[in-house]
Amino acid sequence: EAGVVQSPRYKIIEKKQPVAFWCNPISGHNTLYWYLQNLGQGPELLIRYENEEAVDDSQLPKDRFSAERLKGVDSTLKIQPAELGDSAVYLCASSPGRATDTQYFGPGTRLTVL
Amino acid sequence: DQQVKQNSPSLSVQEGRISILNCDYTNSMFDYFLWYKKYPAEGPTFLISISSIKDKNEDGRFTVFLNKSAKHLSLHIVPSQPGDSAVYFCAASGFITSGTYKYIFGTGTRLKVLA
Repeated sequence: EAGVVQSPRYKIIEKKQPVAFWCNPISGHNTLYWYLQNLGQGPELLIRYENEEAVDDSQLPKDRFSAERLKGVDSTLKIQPAELGDSAVYLCASSPGRATDTQYFGPGTRLTVL
Repeated sequence: DQQVKQNSPSLSVQEGRISILNCDYTNSMFDYFLWYKKYPAEGPTFLISISSIKDKNEDGRFTVFLNKSAKHLSLHIVPSQPGDSAVYFCAASGFITSGTYKYIFGTGTRLKVLA
């Protein structure tokens, strides 16, 4: 069974530029998560989807971050414009259904904003 | 407000000895707890979990203990192996207020098992 796929694995951009991350969850997983992980910290939830619906986006900085999960499968997370403080690893995870299920993580995208 | 805390950023243990990783939480409404393991350049992978109705769960070399009154859980690895060297995250989940489900990770503990 294929795991959670994320791309790109690494991205370096200048500040004020836009950037997008893509995630393909495990087939059949209804719940999808985007996390931000800073160095030396644990993953912090940005947004949680159940199918196509964003059920928890309370921690998503909506002035510059946006996300979508069309057709309840793949998801895209966008930052526009990027700031220096956005440099971090962006993790995508999925779980079969209930929010209490074990989460399966992708390898993450390491973003560097110069 | 850090609701899930791992106060030891790092831990070194000799191969074959016991590793004990600790985690504290603040909200008594959390009812499901998990441990994840993370190698460099990879995402976290699930290791073991425990429901609040239990105080111990064991899986091979890994045992998680839950002390609800102290709001504390620990992960025991015995015997420790060099391949266990990784960052370990605890996570707590539950409906912390009416209709609000949260799944919160701690800051992680880097375990190094010395051969």
